Amino acid sequence: GAVVSQHPSRVICKSGTSVKIECRSLDFQATTMFWYRQFPKQSLMLMATSNEGSKATYEQGVEKDKFLINHASLTLSTLTVTSAHPEDSSFYICSASEGDLYNSPLHFGNGTRLTVT
Amino acid sequence: KQEVTQIPAALSVPEGENLVLNCSFTDSAIYNLQWFRQDPGKGLTSLLLIQSSQREQTSGRLNASLDKSSGRSTLYIAASQPGDSATYLCAVNQGGKLIFGQGTELSVKP
Repeated sequence: GAVVSQHPSRVICKSGTSVKIECRSLDFQATTMFWYRQFPKQSLMLMATSNEGSKATYEQGVEKDKFLINHASLTLSTLTVTSAHPEDSSFYICSASEGDLYNSPLHFGNGTRLTVT
Repeated sequence: KQEVTQIPAALSVPEGENLVLNCSFTDSAIYNLQWFRQDPGKGLTSLLLIQSSQREQTSGRLNASLDKSSGRSTLYIAASQPGDSATYLCAVNQGGKLIFGQGTELSVKP
């Protein structure tokens, strides 16, 4: 089955530093990938849609200068949290579609637990 | 704005029991509905996808139904096992994006 790999699984960083999270589709090409954020005991909140070869589309209220997304190839999207602060601590999950966005299932990575101290 | 609600928020059942998880959504203009499982600290595993034109899907002990006109879906789990303990999330596909409910945390006691 389709596999999405996310790395790292956990990261601890100091306030003010930047952190990069990678999302790879291992056995399929993904024109579109999605980045979500999840707070404890809460649902997933869509942050942005990552499109290969073009700029990401951000959801309302998500700072695009803080959460930089790059989708340079059909198998890799990266999310960089710039100048991280403790309130950025959260669980970040990526997903990718192996086909039609409207009819195909989305496959999710295992998430990245970010802790900013 | 689409809102997805899951009831109950948490459920504890003894092993072997059949159970139903509920999901409701406010806007019926959806392409499909997916049910996912999430284990603590992990990503999501897709369980079932129901297209908007379908009424139900089955996979093993799982059966999901969809009533688009009333904005409801159910996930039926037969003969529950301790290994089924996890959070179950439903999500509707609207415009190619998934909108999630807050999940039902299921605990199956041996």
